[in-house]
Amino acid sequence: DAKTTQPPSMDCAEGRAANLPCNHSTISGNEYVYWYRQIHSQGPQYIIHGLKNNETNEMASLIITEDRKSSTLILPHATLRDTAVYYCIVRVDGNNRLAFGKGNQVVVIP
Amino acid sequence: GAVVSQHPSWVICKSGTSVKIECRSLDFQATTMFWYRQFPKQSLMLMATSNEGSKATYEQGVEKDKFLINHASLTLSTLTVTSAHPEDSSFYICSAWGASGGYEQYFGPGTRLTVT
Repeated sequence: DAKTTQPPSMDCAEGRAANLPCNHSTISGNEYVYWYRQIHSQGPQYIIHGLKNNETNEMASLIITEDRKSSTLILPHATLRDTAVYYCIVRVDGNNRLAFGKGNQVVVIP
Repeated sequence: GAVVSQHPSWVICKSGTSVKIECRSLDFQATTMFWYRQFPKQSLMLMATSNEGSKATYEQGVEKDKFLINHASLTLSTLTVTSAHPEDSSFYICSAWGASGGYEQYFGPGTRLTVT
């Protein structure tokens, strides 16, 4: 699976949109971009995934660049409960191994 | 999303004893379950992959005789840490995957193991 690069940490203002970047320049054509998050001392939580098109669900939006070498997870209205480590993972759908990198420690500030 | 539970949520045991951790998929059939370990301030590391009815596949460096994994049914997998030592103290997390769960991997809440 392709490797991803995320900033180690970032702060976001409560009530504002939080834009979390991820680089995956070596992504293959059949690899999906997945996002998970882990709140302290809990198991990871699935957020969203996509292949080419932008995706939106009740939690977040995923914007994938046209060349698919990077993506952005958008939390539309960040709350204090969104404070967590966010993991961007690239993998082939069907190959269900998840390789977790160091992630991005996001802190939502009041 | 689908629900995965773990039991116990935390356990303290003495060095040299064995500890069993259960992972259950509550509302779907998990054909594959994964076990991860996470040390403080570190990311999750995959320990092993188990398919229902088959022997688990362990990641390089993980001792299969020390970390016994059983996946005898489509809703239950167990991880037994045998002859536990203080260095085995960690946060153990399972995840489950299955077609009836929507083909996504869902994680349990984790089990905090402390070996004294």
